[in-house]
Amino acid sequence: NAGVMQNPRHLVRRRGQEARLRCSPMKGHSHVYWYRQLPEEGLKFMVYLQKENIIDESGMPKERFSAEFPKEGPSILRIQQVVRGDSAAYFCASSPRPGQIQETQYFGPGTRLLVL
Amino acid sequence: KQEVTQIPAALSVPEGENLVLNCSFTDSAIYNLQWFRQDPGKGLTSLLLIQSSQREQTSGRLNASLDKSSGRSTLYIAASQPGDSATYLCAVGAFGNEKLTFGTGTRLTIIP
Repeated sequence: NAGVMQNPRHLVRRRGQEARLRCSPMKGHSHVYWYRQLPEEGLKFMVYLQKENIIDESGMPKERFSAEFPKEGPSILRIQQVVRGDSAAYFCASSPRPGQIQETQYFGPGTRLLVL
Repeated sequence: KQEVTQIPAALSVPEGENLVLNCSFTDSAIYNLQWFRQDPGKGLTSLLLIQSSQREQTSGRLNASLDKSSGRSTLYIAASQPGDSATYLCAVGAFGNEKLTFGTGTRLTIIP
């Protein structure tokens, strides 16, 4: 059973370009979470999605960031008009049944975004 | 708003020593607490998960404790090895809120 997959693993963009980060959850998992880790900081929650629904986007910046999890295909985190402050590691996690006290979230290897 | 703090931020110990990493949280209404390991440039590996009704969990040389009333958890590592060198992250999950709140981590270095 493959784990959570993220691609690309590394992404370099120039200021003003768009970044698209992909996440394929573990097989059988229909709940996806995106977290961002800025340099020398802890992981911060961004958004929680189920198939075709955004459940909680309280951690998403108000502008330029969007996320989707379509019925078919991976979850996409999209950053428009990137700025240097967007440089970070973006982690995706999935779970089968969120909110269960015995369940953990399974994390992918992350996408490291560098904005030049 | 839940806040999670980990002390110390960095720790270096000689190989073979036992050590304790600390985690504190401000809101005791949690449903579980997890310890993760993060290696440089890699993702997160779940080490131990403690449910809110539990006091501790053990896996091999690792033991994690939870004291909800005081808002604290500790990760005890016995007989440390160089392969234990990594950043250890503490994260809490709250009822009705599926997101995890992470601490900033403790960067552990085991000196051979």
